[in-house]
Amino acid sequence: DAKTTQPPSMDCAEGRAANLPCNHSTISGNEYVYWYRQIHSQGPQYIIHGLKNNETNEMASLIITEDRKSSTLILPHATLRDTAVYYCIVRVENYGQNFVFGPGTRLSVLP
Amino acid sequence: AAGVIQSPRHLIKEKRETATLKCYPIPRHDTVYWYQQGPGQDPQFLISFYEKMQSDKGSIPDRFSAQQFSDYHSELNMSSLELGDSALYFCASSSWTSGGAVQYFGAGTRLSVL
Repeated sequence: DAKTTQPPSMDCAEGRAANLPCNHSTISGNEYVYWYRQIHSQGPQYIIHGLKNNETNEMASLIITEDRKSSTLILPHATLRDTAVYYCIVRVENYGQNFVFGPGTRLSVLP
Repeated sequence: AAGVIQSPRHLIKEKRETATLKCYPIPRHDTVYWYQQGPGQDPQFLISFYEKMQSDKGSIPDRFSAQQFSDYHSELNMSSLELGDSALYFCASSSWTSGGAVQYFGAGTRLSVL
């Protein structure tokens, strides 16, 4: 699976959009970009995933660059409850394959 | 919607004791994964099961074993516990027919070895 690079930490003001970047320059054509988050000591929570098209769901939007070497997770209106560690994971969509977590971005949403 | 259920939520054991952690996947999910998260660390994959057969293995110590039962629940058995086994243990489940490779995690079991 391709390696990802994320900033170790970011701050965001409450109510503003949080844009979390992820670099995955060695991504291969059949690898998907997954985003999970972990709120303090809770189980990792699935957010969104995509292959090459931008994706949106009720939680977030995922923007993948045309060359697929980087992506951005967007939380449109961050709340204090969005404070968490966000993991960008690149892997093939092999059913049953485990996820490799780390190190992720620690997002702090500030009042 | 039903989620992954783990029990117990907290467990305190002495060194050299044994522990059993249980995981009940989301209904109709056929694959179960176990992860370990030490203090200040990221979750690390231990082992997974698909249709009651071991499907993948990570950095699971030989002192640990696991299985998936006919009702798809899974148990992680840990023997000769060491202080370093103190961690959060997460179970996740997935189903090819509902979300493919996406794994849904339980709230975890916090194991403390004294």
